[in-house]
Amino acid sequence: GNSVTQMEGPVTLSEEAFLTINCTYTATGYPSLFWYVQYPGEGLQLLLKATKADDKGSNKGFEATYRKETTSFHLEKGSVQVSDSAVYFCALSYGGATNKLIFGTGTLLAVQP
Amino acid sequence: AAGVIQSPRHLIKEKRETATLKCYPIPRHDTVYWYQQGPGQDPQFLISFYEKMQSDKGSIPDRFSAQQFSDYHSELNMSSLELGDSALYFCASTRGDSYEQYFGPGTRLTVT
Repeated sequence: GNSVTQMEGPVTLSEEAFLTINCTYTATGYPSLFWYVQYPGEGLQLLLKATKADDKGSNKGFEATYRKETTSFHLEKGSVQVSDSAVYFCALSYGGATNKLIFGTGTLLAVQP
Repeated sequence: AAGVIQSPRHLIKEKRETATLKCYPIPRHDTVYWYQQGPGQDPQFLISFYEKMQSDKGSIPDRFSAQQFSDYHSELNMSSLELGDSALYFCASTRGDSYEQYFGPGTRLTVT
């Protein structure tokens, strides 16, 4: 079946460090890929997305590239801030009538000053 | 901009009671999704509606039912509550089959 696997956390970084959170997926066909962020006590916010192979999603300094050959969608940011501390979820969907999101287990990022 | 509204934000129920969670999508959004997020877990898809008809069903227990009304708001009805139903319940909305789902703040249900 379709699934998403992402690196376990927590990931603890110092401010201005480089961030990578790995995400790989198992799916038939060509899903769309997403990163969602969940701040403490809040709902899920779409961070970025990519709908086809080799697309790069970017937002707020975060980037992820849809790599079909490695079935990956790793999240990166060149310089993290304390305000980036949150849980990050990688997800996929197929759009259309079955547009449900399938999430990975989430990675907690803690950025220290 | 208007966002997805969920009510109540917090709900405490006892075992075997019933609960009703409400979701008001963004104006002009016609599709609603429900997800359940257990403590420390990823959100799990429960059910979705498009134009007031059920469009997909996930791991929703038979004790739960849901519907979408003529004004596109949706309600999730949960009966015979169990301790394991304690979770954060999210509603998300979108327009048609758009890829981008907008999530509400969630309803935290605690079953004691």
